[in-house]
Amino acid sequence: DAGVIQSPRHEVTEMGQEVTLRCKPISGHDYLFWYRQTMMRGLELLIYFNNNVPIDDSGMPEDRFSAKMPNASFSTLKIQPSEPRDSAVYFCASSPLAGGYTDTQYFGPGTRLTVL
Amino acid sequence: TQLLEQSPQFLSIQEGENLTVYCNSSSVFSSLQWYRQEPGEGPVLLVTVVTGGEVKKLKRLTFQFGDARKDSSLHITAAQPGDTGLYLCAGNYNQGGKLIFGQGTELSVKP
Repeated sequence: DAGVIQSPRHEVTEMGQEVTLRCKPISGHDYLFWYRQTMMRGLELLIYFNNNVPIDDSGMPEDRFSAKMPNASFSTLKIQPSEPRDSAVYFCASSPLAGGYTDTQYFGPGTRLTVL
Repeated sequence: TQLLEQSPQFLSIQEGENLTVYCNSSSVFSSLQWYRQEPGEGPVLLVTVVTGGEVKKLKRLTFQFGDARKDSSLHITAAQPGDTGLYLCAGNYNQGGKLIFGQGTELSVKP
């Protein structure tokens, strides 16, 4: 398996623009997670899905952020409008089985977002 | 709000030295995981501990889960430059899929 695939790997945009990050989870994994990593706040969970349904979006910072999972093989994280403080590395991860507490999360390589 | 505190935040040592990284919380974990992250990549799971007092070994790495399941430690024996990276602990509190990550320990091992 190719692992979790994220695109783009790097994104530079200007404040106010819409940004869409994409993720393809590992085939057969039931759970998908979106994280944001910064030096100041570390790795933060934004939202996660189970079988394409959002389960917990309490980490989404504000209404400018939205996430969708239209099918089992694709998810998007959208920021509209983007702000400089959104600059971070965004990771997607997927997990097999039924979300048991010993499940491994497999992370993608991340998307480094810079908002000017 | 559940918090995971890791210490130290940064660690720079010479090859061959031993080190210990700590992960602490005021809450009880259902399980705790340790991940390692290299620059430009996502975290990769090293180990999962579930039972209070559990000790797991992975070559030169020893992981311990506290008896009360509120803390954990990672000990590296005879560190090597290849051990350099960001070490993250992650706790699961409610047996669901959600993990809470610590801030991480940035380890640098110099040859």
